[in-house]
Amino acid sequence: ETGVTQTPRHLVMGMTNKKSLKCEQHLGHNAMYWYKQSAKKPLELMFVYNFKEQTENNSVPSRFSPECPNSSHLFLHLHTLQPEDSALYLCASEKGDYSGNTIYFGEGSWLTVV
Amino acid sequence: AQTVTQSQPEMSVQEAETVTLSCTYDTSESDYYLFWYKQPPSRQMILVIRQEAYKQQNATENRFSVNFQKAAKSFSLKISDSQLGDAAMYFCAYLDTSGSRLTFGEGTQLTVNP
Repeated sequence: ETGVTQTPRHLVMGMTNKKSLKCEQHLGHNAMYWYKQSAKKPLELMFVYNFKEQTENNSVPSRFSPECPNSSHLFLHLHTLQPEDSALYLCASEKGDYSGNTIYFGEGSWLTVV
Repeated sequence: AQTVTQSQPEMSVQEAETVTLSCTYDTSESDYYLFWYKQPPSRQMILVIRQEAYKQQNATENRFSVNFQKAAKSFSLKISDSQLGDAAMYFCAYLDTSGSRLTFGEGTQLTVNP
């Protein structure tokens, strides 16, 4: 238990569906991240939020839409996804003070697009 | 851009023996942070060990230690007295001092044989 909780743990959605992934951290951190982990690829950073402001968008397609209503919650809204978007989506958080703090990960949300 | 390379896709070790996982990285920065994360079958990313580049002393955490060679840009992980629970995918990661982008290597799958 790292203090970062992701729901749902598994999601199957059709290409025309709209769904959301949720991440919540109980660590008092100010920075939150979305990473994508595909088979046989390194983890890919998608988005970074610091104090609710998006500080990084790593050229992610617009069919992925992040939302950070407060420092404890982060969402990833999904719409009109493609089968190649099937992957493990990992949320992470850290203090957000740019001092090289450890980043803590959630257990991930397995997404399958059919 | 920083890159992290793990040249060993798979490694195996006998229980109670020692194994070393390799990692090299490329950066033009002089101050940064390096991490080893473990990802067991549950897919939870767990921090194993952290090294600050400005510290010459190699980090240790119980049975885990690193060999940090800054000039060579090498950061290997040594696991002593290997246990069955050490079996996992191990990722080397680099964090720059802006603190917002954790770059991962491709991972090394470690098998521990009884």
